[in-house]
Amino acid sequence: TQLLEQSPQFLSIQEGENLTVYCNSSSVFSSLQWYRQEPGEGPVLLVTVVTGGEVKKLKRLTFQFGDARKDSSLHITAAQPGDTGLYLCAGAPGGTYKYIFGTGTRLKVLA
Amino acid sequence: SAVISQKPSRDICQRGTSLTIQCQVDSQVTMMFWYRQQPGQSLTLIATANQGSEATYESGFVIDKFPISRPNLTFSTLTVSNMSPEDSSIYLCSVERSGRGEQYFGPGTRLTVT
Repeated sequence: TQLLEQSPQFLSIQEGENLTVYCNSSSVFSSLQWYRQEPGEGPVLLVTVVTGGEVKKLKRLTFQFGDARKDSSLHITAAQPGDTGLYLCAGAPGGTYKYIFGTGTRLKVLA
Repeated sequence: SAVISQKPSRDICQRGTSLTIQCQVDSQVTMMFWYRQQPGQSLTLIATANQGSEATYESGFVIDKFPISRPNLTFSTLTVSNMSPEDSSIYLCSVERSGRGEQYFGPGTRLTVT
């Protein structure tokens, strides 16, 4: 079974702190997505990274795709309570259409 | 993007019964998927719903347990058959439009089996 391992699994931080979430696999991905899911809702797409080494910024969120396209990271600067949620990475290994989701990182930002 | 609705939003069912979940998309899409999300867990792909042909199931999921229909490019149903408490989960449908794996999800159906 191909896995996308995320770390940490849980994270509880104070408002204003910075954090990084990691998504690692032994497989190569043609593209990789990050989603955020809030309770009672489906995951919402945040970003897609495609090129090895690519860095994308979305306001206070910075996403990086590993050079070998096997891993990715999400960095949040000055976290806010609105950032609270379940963060999921996802991709289709080997360019297939069968998407797998990471194990998830549950973030709680305390005011 | 895409607007996706699911019905019902939640249900409580007795073991041994079946529930059909509907997924409606606001525009035609080729790729439509069904996922299961167990409490506190990530998403697991159940199957790809193919229009005009049988769904493609992932390892561990079978058609007899999770029959899927896809009568057109905007609608699909997933049935959870002969339910047991282990089927208690959130069931989500999604569509992929960009060809880059970007999926748009419905709000999910929260199923509790007693």
